[in-house]
Amino acid sequence: DAGITQSPRHKVTETGTPVTLRCHQTENHRYMYWYRQDPGHGLRLIHYSYGVKDTDKGEVSDGYSVSRSKTEDFLLTLESATSSQTSVYFCAISEPQGAYEQYFGPGTRLTVT
Amino acid sequence: AQSVTQPDIHITVSEGASLELRCNYSYGATPYLFWYVQSPGQGLQLLLKYFSGDTLVQGIKGFEAEFKRSQSSFNLRKPSVHWSDAAEYFCAVGLSGNAGNMLTFGGGTRLMVKP
Repeated sequence: DAGITQSPRHKVTETGTPVTLRCHQTENHRYMYWYRQDPGHGLRLIHYSYGVKDTDKGEVSDGYSVSRSKTEDFLLTLESATSSQTSVYFCAISEPQGAYEQYFGPGTRLTVT
Repeated sequence: AQSVTQPDIHITVSEGASLELRCNYSYGATPYLFWYVQSPGQGLQLLLKYFSGDTLVQGIKGFEAEFKRSQSSFNLRKPSVHWSDAAEYFCAVGLSGNAGNMLTFGGGTRLMVKP
């Protein structure tokens, strides 16, 4: 998985609790992304980062925040988890040249009860 | 609005048969095009990409795809399917020059292979 790890890989949490997911890369890629995957929807972009401390919203950003204090780490936080945020979350990385291909981590399965 | 459509949610083929997975996009310019494969419980793996040049591109695992500008399509093909090809396949599209290299994904096609 191209030097990308995600932690935790599985998490069960209760509605209303805060949750932070971590993405760590060893490729020194500039761009990082958080997606969620739900049946029938493919992958939908939550937030992305185009550099340290530089982030922007994606298609489904409501209820999520992100931070990137180092090139290698990109954190996704659910401030107060809801059942609609039960999903599989993927991190991806990319470089700002070439054909824009993204490389994906193994995913985190989050269940909000 | 930009969109990517994979018309077939599920496809079943017999092992050894040929395969074609469809992908259509709606963009104002020639995009960058990708196919990814996802095995159960795994992340997405890049199969192949098109960004310029020859419209027939070769990828890993014996897959190929053809970009047809007139049809706004980028269909994935394989001449002889193996049982290990059973997975979900995603088409993705990006626009050159877009800040952040963002991609838009289709909804996916789940491939089942009969013995």
